[in-house]
Amino acid sequence: EVQLVESGGGLVQPGGSLRLSCAASGFIFSDHYMDWVRQAPGKGLEWVGRSRNKAKSYTTDYAASVKGRFTISRDDSENSLYLQMNSLKTEDTAVYYCVRALRLTGTTHFDLWGRGTLVTVSS
Amino acid sequence: QSVLTQPPSVSVAPGQKVTISCSGSSSNIGNNYVSWYQQLPRTAPKLLIYDNNKRPSEIPDRFSGSKSGTSATLGITGLQTGDEADYYCGTWDSSLNAWVFGGGTKLTVL
Repeated sequence: EVQLVESGGGLVQPGGSLRLSCAASGFIFSDHYMDWVRQAPGKGLEWVGRSRNKAKSYTTDYAASVKGRFTISRDDSENSLYLQMNSLKTEDTAVYYCVRALRLTGTTHFDLWGRGTLVTVSS
Repeated sequence: QSVLTQPPSVSVAPGQKVTISCSGSSSNIGNNYVSWYQQLPRTAPKLLIYDNNKRPSEIPDRFSGSKSGTSATLGITGLQTGDEADYYCGTWDSSLNAWVFGGGTKLTVL
């Protein structure tokens, strides 16, 4: 079955760190760009960042709101994507979705979503 | 404040049609393809439209997309109560080097 399964969410204090994982199955993970998208409670979708594939030298991009605090990495041998979150703020509280970014034309689109994992930053 | 602008909400009667707009600029919609996502209550978003007007095979043809200049539109015909959801547009922004979403539109079918 083609799916993405996130894990690692939980409660963390402001200033703390957390590492999210995303396990991919049912497709050739190494071929694809992979992104993280988050959604604060009652709010809209916010893009967090992207990990491109080996063909694009595993380059990454980040939203301005997380740049310098969050790091995306991947392990193609384990079909896994990671999000290392440091210096967490209360406004980082959200459901974090692992997403496959498919590129058929010059622009990607998000064709596969995980169910999400909740991160709560609170003292 | 989202880079892409959508109406916060729309309400339509069952069986009718609705359009949801998404306005951007030359750095995003004007020079990149737009996709649309449906988020039913308490579920993860799902891809509805990609590359401005293409539908994944499982999406019924009641859903359509179009783009003109720096704006895009999602159309839904034959509205059903099961279509009640939040709808988001999105695309890459070449100036920000970031993906951008619209603020989302809550569709109510009443």
